This record gives sequence, C-alpha cells and structure tokens, in this order.
Amino acid sequence: QKEVEQNSGPLSVPEGAIASLNCTYSDRGSQSFFWYRQYSGKSPELIMFIYSNGDKEDGRFTAQLNKASQYVSLLIRDSQPSDSATYLCAVREAGTALIFGKGTTLSVSS
Amino acid sequence: ETGVTQTPRHLVMGMTNKKSLKCEQHLGHNAMYWYKQSAKKPLELMFVYSLEERVENNSVPSRFSPECPNSSHLFLHLHTLQPEDSALYLCASSPTDVGYQETQYFGPGTRLLVL
Repeated sequence: QKEVEQNSGPLSVPEGAIASLNCTYSDRGSQSFFWYRQYSGKSPELIMFIYSNGDKEDGRFTAQLNKASQYVSLLIRDSQPSDSATYLCAVREAGTALIFGKGTTLSVSS
Repeated sequence: ETGVTQTPRHLVMGMTNKKSLKCEQHLGHNAMYWYKQSAKKPLELMFVYSLEERVENNSVPSRFSPECPNSSHLFLHLHTLQPEDSALYLCASSPTDVGYQETQYFGPGTRLLVL
C-alpha cells in the first residue's frame, strides 16, 4: 500500500513568518512530487512540483526534496492570511495516478 | 470555457435515485480521473481513463459506474448510493496517464449528499 503522510495540523503561523509543511512517502519508486493548495469548499490547485533532489523556488514558495529520506517539504516565506488553506502533498511514479496525503491545514494570523 | 468543468456543482439524492455527474475538459488532455474526497481522508482515486479506455479501477463499488465517450468527457453514473457516499467528487485531467512529470488539473467538484 503506497502511502503519503502529512501532519494534519492545524499549523498556525503569524503573518510574515515562514510556514514549513512536511510530507513523507512510502514508495521508493516515486518520481515526481506535487504540492496542491485547497481552499475550503474548493478544488485543489497546483502550487509547485519537483522531480530532483534539492530545492526549487518559485516566488514565496520553495519545495525541498530528499529522495534518500523519502521526504518532501514546502516552505512559504512571508506568509499571508490568504495562504490559509489545506496543502496537499501528492506523489507519482510513471504509469500511475497521483497518490495524495490527507493534507495539512495552515492558518496564518494577521 | 477553459480548464476542467463539472456539473452539477451540488447534488442531493435519495438512496433509490439514479443520477449522473458530468466532467468536461478543454485542455486537449488524453487522461481523465475521478476522485472522491471525504472529510478527514485523503483524496481517493476511483477511476482512470486514457483515450476513452479505463486503465484503473480502484475497487470501487458497482453502484458507481463511469463512462468516457470521448477524451473530453467523463461521466460518473450513480445508483442506489449509501449515505457514506456523501462526499466531494472531483474530476481531473492530465496530458497522458503515464507521464510521471505531468500534473493533474482538477475541476471544481460536485458536492454530493445522499439522504
């Protein structure tokens, strides 16, 4: 059974702080890793994807991947109240659909 | 319209009703998916279609019946559902079903309540 684990939270950070969201996965064959953001009552929307070990930055978002540790994280710098949402980690190997974690709820207070 | 659309957005049905959910993608993708999202659970993959052929069926009860008449349209036919089937049903699409670097784009979902 392929699993993707996330701390459900809520993770509470003050406005302007760095939010750190973590995800571990069980299948060593996983090749690509995605972070989706889901606002309450809405569908998931893609924030970032990463395929190679290391860091990938896009604006205020940085994804970090460590395949040896089977660990992927998302850092959100200068957190804003509009970042308050549930963040879903998803992994994929070739030939399969995405496997999702339960998501971490982030709350950014102003 | 652009992206992935789903209708209806909300649906209330009794356990003896028959209804259908519709999904349409305007992205030129060849793969389409149905997911179920229940409270406190991960997104559960239900069905995968590639070029109108079902390529994955994750032990979904037969009261859910998918149909993919072409690569742009996907249906989920519902009959004799149970209250525990109440959930958000999400449709997604991607360029293919095998490209590991491809992401999936989601529709807005259908919120289903079974009474």
